[in-house]
Amino acid sequence: DGGITQSPKYLFRKEGQNVTLSCEQNLNHDAMYWYRQDPGQGLRLIYYSQIVNDFQKGDIAEGYSVSREKKESFPLTVTSAQKNPTAFYLCASRWEGAPYNEQFFGPGTRLTVL
Amino acid sequence: SQQGEEDPQALSIQEGENATMNCSYKTSINNLQWYRQNSGRGLVHLILIRSNEREKHSGRLRVTLDTSKKSSSLLITASRAADTASYFCATVTNSGNTPLVFGKGTRLSVIA
Repeated sequence: DGGITQSPKYLFRKEGQNVTLSCEQNLNHDAMYWYRQDPGQGLRLIYYSQIVNDFQKGDIAEGYSVSREKKESFPLTVTSAQKNPTAFYLCASRWEGAPYNEQFFGPGTRLTVL
Repeated sequence: SQQGEEDPQALSIQEGENATMNCSYKTSINNLQWYRQNSGRGLVHLILIRSNEREKHSGRLRVTLDTSKKSSSLLITASRAADTASYFCATVTNSGNTPLVFGKGTRLSVIA
C-alpha cells in the first residue's frame, strides 16, 4: 500500500447523508485518482487531479465531489445524489516522473449505505 | 468506459502449475499494465509493457502483447498459494497523464 493512506477502512452511512473519504499520500506525487470498485468488477474512474487546485471528472463523476487544496490530500465526498454508493473506493497516486502512468494504490475504503 | 476484458473471469489451479490470464482491449494503446489485488486490499503494480514491445519478464511473470490482435497475456510460472488474488489489466491510450482504463479482472485461486 506504500505511502498512501485511506481512512476509514470501513464506513457506514444512512441514506441521504453526505460522507467524505480521506486519501493522503507522502510520496510527493503530483497526480491523484479516485476509483470505485463494485463486487466482481474492475475499477471505474471517478475523479482525478494532476496538480493542486485542479481536477477532472472521470467516467462516473455524478454524485461525487472532490477537492485538491494540498498536494498530499485528495478527499472524495459521496453526496446524497449518488444513487448507489455502496462500493469499495480506491485512491491512487502517480509520480510525475513516471512516463507510463504507473499508479500506487491505497488500501481502500469500503462504504456501505444502510 | 471499460477498455480491457480479462479471460477467464476465474481460474483455479494447483500449486506449482502455471497460470495464464488474457486481456483484450478495444483501442490503440501506448502501454498495458498488469495489477494484482489481494482480497479487500488496494492494487499493486506488477509489470508494464509498451506498445512497441512484444514480451517482458519479471521474476515468475511473463507478459506478452499482440497489438494486431489487441490482446495481452500474463503468465505466472510455478504458482504458489500466495499468488491467489485478482489480476487486472489496465491500458493507457496516451503516455503521461492519460488515466488508466481497467478491465474486470481474473480471480486466480492457487490450491496448495
